[in-house]
Amino acid sequence: DSGVTQTPKHLITATGQRVTLRCSPRSGDLSVYWYQQSLDQGLQFLIQYYNGEERAKGNILERFSAQQFPDLHSELNLSSLELGDSALYFCASSVGTSEHYEQYFGPGTRLTVT
Amino acid sequence: AQSVTQLDSQVPVFEEAPVELRCNYSSSVSVYLFWYVQYPNQGLQLLLKYLSGSTLVKGINGFEAEFNKSQTSFHLRKPSVHISDTAEYFCAVSKSGGFKTIFGAGTRLFVKA
Repeated sequence: DSGVTQTPKHLITATGQRVTLRCSPRSGDLSVYWYQQSLDQGLQFLIQYYNGEERAKGNILERFSAQQFPDLHSELNLSSLELGDSALYFCASSVGTSEHYEQYFGPGTRLTVT
Repeated sequence: AQSVTQLDSQVPVFEEAPVELRCNYSSSVSVYLFWYVQYPNQGLQLLLKYLSGSTLVKGINGFEAEFNKSQTSFHLRKPSVHISDTAEYFCAVSKSGGFKTIFGAGTRLFVKA
């Protein structure tokens, strides 16, 4: 158990809908990262937050947005969903922003868009 | 920009045999290197990391990796694998000031009895 929690575990929704994925980092970790893992794209970095502020952006679509709240939990919002958004979404956390800190991954949320 | 190439998408190996999973990176600056493992239906967890110092890094579960700057490689090795090592292994690289970690495409290790 990494100490990172993600809810829900599974999500099935229809095209065009909007969903919110939630992540609670490990106690004491200030950085939260979001990743998308799919068979064709592999593990793609989406976005990073540190102590409530956006720190780095990866291959995140404009239909996707995220935020980190004062209690440090984070939410990833996916809107106007398409079939291709079906994937495993991971949240990870680390102590700080430095690149040498290891990331602790949650168990993931499996999103299926039908 | 940095990138990571894992040279093998799948590696089948018999139990108790040695294994090497290959990883090459490209970056013009000093990098930090990581190996993560993902067991079925789980998130990734860190096996080992190289930040600086000794080029031979030892990790959990008997794995080790060697940083080779001249060949820009960071291959993962284990002298004797177990069935329980069956998983997907990801090599990752980050750099100071880069803020993000780039993951390779993964290598699926399949250990056969």
